[in-house]
Order: sequence, then C-alpha cells, then structure tokens
Amino acid sequence: DGGITQSPKYLFRKEGQNVTLSCEQNLNHDAMYWYRQDPGQGLRLIYYSQIVNDFQKGDIAEGYSVSREKKESFPLTVTSAQKNPTAFYLCASSTSEVNEQFFGPGTRLTVL
Amino acid sequence: AQSVTQLDSQVPVFEEAPVELRCNYSSSVSVYLFWYVQYPNQGLQLLLKYLSGSTLVESINGFEAEFNKSQTSFHLRKPSVHISDTAEYFCAVSLVYGSSNTGKLIFGQGTTLQVKP
Repeated sequence: DGGITQSPKYLFRKEGQNVTLSCEQNLNHDAMYWYRQDPGQGLRLIYYSQIVNDFQKGDIAEGYSVSREKKESFPLTVTSAQKNPTAFYLCASSTSEVNEQFFGPGTRLTVL
Repeated sequence: AQSVTQLDSQVPVFEEAPVELRCNYSSSVSVYLFWYVQYPNQGLQLLLKYLSGSTLVESINGFEAEFNKSQTSFHLRKPSVHISDTAEYFCAVSLVYGSSNTGKLIFGQGTTLQVKP
C-alpha cells in the first residue's frame, strides 16, 4: 500500500539533545513538507522540499534542519536551539501539479 | 497577506442534527480549497477539495462544501452528524499563480466538532 510513514510515534528526549524524526513516502511524490502542531494553533510549516537536494524554510524554521537526499525521505532534525520543541510533528507529501497533501500519522515529541 | 480564518474554534452539536463549519480566506490570487479531518493523535485526512468546476463538492461520508468566490468562503456542512464525526476539522488553501501553484498550504486554526448523543 502506498503512503507516508513517520517514526517513531512517540519520542522523549532530554533538553539540549538533538533529535531526528523520520518521514518516508512511497507515493512517488516530488514535494514533501514538515509541520508543527500545537493546541489551538493549527499547523505551522517548518520546512518544505519540492525536489531532491533542494528545500526551503517555512514560517517557523528556526531551531530545525532538514535534508532531502532521496525522493522518498525527508528527515527533520530538532536541534537544541529550538526553544520549545515539545509538539506534534506532521510530515506530508504532494504531487507538484495539484497541491493536495497526504499526511503521515505524526510523531509526538516530548522534551523533558 | 493571504490567510485562512475558521470562525469557530469549537462546535458542539447533538447527534443527527445538521452542522456547518465556517471557513473564510483572504487571497489576491486564485486558490484551491481543501477540508481536512484529524482524529485524536492521528495525521490529517483529506475530506474534500475544490479545484475548479462545480462550486459544490461532496465527500463520500456525507459532508459537502460550497465555494463562494464573492464571499471568499468555503463552509463545510453535513445534514445529519454521527458520533463518529467527532474530530478536528481544518480548512486550507493553496495559492495558484498562472498554471502552477506555490507548493504550500495555508491552514486555518481548526474547528473541533463535538457530537453529543
């Protein structure tokens, strides 16, 4: 079955540690996105990539980094510079023609 | 600046009653419009979309939304809700420049639909 996988579903880290969230898709989509979701704030775009080896900052990129070495994969690293990293993180992908985005199940990150 | 406003943060409704979730957007260019649904601790699922053509679009589970260009709205409706419709609903727009889009979605803040027995 085609889809988007995110791992792990729950992640706990100590303050000051970097952590990498995985996102893989087998939909053959060109574009991939990372969002952060906080209660009452909807979804905010962190980074997006429309093609391999290229990505752009979204609205809240500070404290995050990404890579896009393969079409199928778009990992997100939450660095120690992110002031408040505890949140629900969602990965999405889309075709380039119509921006209907397909979402993964999400990773809930808790920084202790 | 482009924006999406969902006018109600929470909508409580009794089972089998009708419901409307309101969405307004602001954009200087053409848009594609989407409604997504999110169940607790899950990702978002596409409910329905408007790209072009008929302004009334329907989903397979009884929801419908109507694109109103003059009022810049895309309200979501269902004539009779079920307990299983309890979820958070997000309205989103994609900006369209010429024959291509920007590659980004702008989301509203979300509306929590709570269906009571």
